[in-house]
Amino acid sequence: QSVLTQPPSVSAAPGQKVTISCSGSSSNIGNNYVSWYQQVPGTAPKLLIYDNNKRPSGIPDRFSGSKSGTAATLGITGLQTGDEADYYCGTWDSSLSAGLPVFGGGTKLTVL
Amino acid sequence: QLQLEESGPGLVKPSETLSLTCTVSGGSISSSSYYWGWIRQPPGKGLEWIGNIYYSGSTYYNPSLKSRVTISVDTSKNQFSLKLSSVTAADTAVYYCASSLRITIFGVVVPARFVPWGQGTLVTVSS
Repeated sequence: QSVLTQPPSVSAAPGQKVTISCSGSSSNIGNNYVSWYQQVPGTAPKLLIYDNNKRPSGIPDRFSGSKSGTAATLGITGLQTGDEADYYCGTWDSSLSAGLPVFGGGTKLTVL
Repeated sequence: QLQLEESGPGLVKPSETLSLTCTVSGGSISSSSYYWGWIRQPPGKGLEWIGNIYYSGSTYYNPSLKSRVTISVDTSKNQFSLKLSSVTAADTAVYYCASSLRITIFGVVVPARFVPWGQGTLVTVSS
């Protein structure tokens, strides 16, 4: 049971837009930055979005992030077959004295 | 740029101790900018944070694994290591090491994003 809640799967056609939600609480998403990771099958996760809505160098602007209250959303526009992957949200939980990292359960994106 | 690489046995017997090492290149493990972390992923499942270490030796563990986990750092070798004791089949997973950026928010230092990650190493627990 993951601390952050994501839908198990989403799907959309090439060229379309998709959003992936990540729900948490005031001790994690509500008061901390959210990151998003993309994991292509058989490879390590790769940072896609950080600080809620910032993109690392090399990540196309088709990928976007937002946060409102205790929920975060990853958006992907102009879907490509290469976007098929698992997507994870992450942040840290401040309920204990030290912020401890937490992840969502992951969402499998299928590009139909 | 930072690169991380995991190494260690791919097969561990039940009840024994899993031991992995992560070698950091392209930067110093003694940097004040990072925590160094371990994350695992059981086959077909999601990511689970195991623990972080700071170069000074301060450690932070997932409460669900804390009783079995030890993370240590060797600054002379630019490496950090994971030991997980009393393993069972449930510990079979791909184990990743990653650097976690330390940031200060409202006067508190917290672990932000994990970047980069090592390529991961599969550890199977089986007799």
